[in-house]
Amino acid sequence: AQSVAQPEDQVNVAEGNPLTVKCTYSVSGNPYLFWYVQYPNRGLQFLLKYITGDNLVKGSYGFEAEFNKSQTSFHLKKPSALVSDSALYFCAVRDPRNTGGFKTIFGAGTRLFVKA
Amino acid sequence: DSGVTQTPKHLITATGQRVTLRCSPRSGDLSVYWYQQSLDQGLQFLIQYYNGEERAKGNILERFSAQQFPDLHSELNLSSLELGDSALYFCASSPAGDSYEQYFGPGTRLTVT
Repeated sequence: AQSVAQPEDQVNVAEGNPLTVKCTYSVSGNPYLFWYVQYPNRGLQFLLKYITGDNLVKGSYGFEAEFNKSQTSFHLKKPSALVSDSALYFCAVRDPRNTGGFKTIFGAGTRLFVKA
Repeated sequence: DSGVTQTPKHLITATGQRVTLRCSPRSGDLSVYWYQQSLDQGLQFLIQYYNGEERAKGNILERFSAQQFPDLHSELNLSSLELGDSALYFCASSPAGDSYEQYFGPGTRLTVT
């Protein structure tokens, strides 16, 4: 069965410093991986995805993520954090070989707090 | 703006009542998903519809039901409401195909008193 884990409930980083939000997954095949961000009182917004190809994926607002198959990870990164990046971040995984039922699994979310 | 609309934005009702939440997907999207988000449960998948047909069910209570209409809008019906049903309810839509991301609406905040 597929699963996704975000091991940190909260990540704290100073503005201007690099940030990493971790995500690991368990899928028997080659996964599709997604990152979403949720600002207060808003719906989730798509940031980026990995389907195939280059392991480094670039997305919205300067975010990027690296797919690491051997470590089954898809960590979200940004070289220089902004206070406005403070939000709740969700990793999601989909097994495209799962032909039945709901395919996308969301992690529990990681709250990012960027201090000025 | 994701292109997904949800009404109402807020809903306050009493225990035992029934409410209907409405969702209009992005133009052209055939799949609609419903989620419940509460502080202690995180984001819970409820149900998915694809082009009018139920595609998958998640942790949806028997008191809850949904449908997708021919114009692709969807409604989530919640009945015999309990205090624990208070939450944010999100609708999302996506095109057909596994590689597509979901686009989320702004949500309906339900408060049961």
